[in-house]
Amino acid sequence: KNEVEQSPQNLTAQEGEFITINCSYSVGISALHWLQQHPGGGIVSLFMLSSGKKKHGRLIATINIQEKHSSLHITASHPRDSAVYICAAEGRDDKIIFGKGTRLHILP
Amino acid sequence: DAGVIQSPRHEVTEMGQEVTLRCKPISGHNSLFWYRQTMMRGLELLIYFNNNVPIDDSGMPEDRFSAKMPNASFSTLKIQPSEPRDSAVYFCASSLARVNQPQHFGDGTRLSIL
Repeated sequence: KNEVEQSPQNLTAQEGEFITINCSYSVGISALHWLQQHPGGGIVSLFMLSSGKKKHGRLIATINIQEKHSSLHITASHPRDSAVYICAAEGRDDKIIFGKGTRLHILP
Repeated sequence: DAGVIQSPRHEVTEMGQEVTLRCKPISGHNSLFWYRQTMMRGLELLIYFNNNVPIDDSGMPEDRFSAKMPNASFSTLKIQPSEPRDSAVYFCASSLARVNQPQHFGDGTRLSIL
């Protein structure tokens, strides 16, 4: 059974700081997703990756298949980045398992 | 482009009542997913459809839950009879394909069973 662990659970930082959120999973996967859930509840897909690194604006996602680990980085963080960030692992059995999320709060 | 549309946005009903949640996926998307989110368990996949066919319903909690996709543009998730522990936010998402494609989420239905 695939387990997905995220850390930290909660993170408060000052505006401008570099943010890293980590995600570890326990079995082989076909893809890993990073989602952002806004305070209003809406969910947006940020990245889907199966190897290497992807970048979109100030967001960077990396994955290390051998170590079963992914990170989401935010450069020059801003209060509008405050949200819950969720990673989700698509197993090779087509099951998708979600982490519990990381609640990020960026202070102005 | 219209995103995934869910209705209703909020539903409050008494236990024992039938609840029907609705979802319109993005046109052209072949896969549709129903998720449930609670504080205790986070996001959980309930069921997904590929080309209108239910592929995996192992996440459906029990027989009180059922889902249908009669055509490519509409799906329902039904709970009958509803119980207070069913209170959660239910999300629908769609994607171009089942695997290795980003999923687009609806705004969710916040369900409260009294």
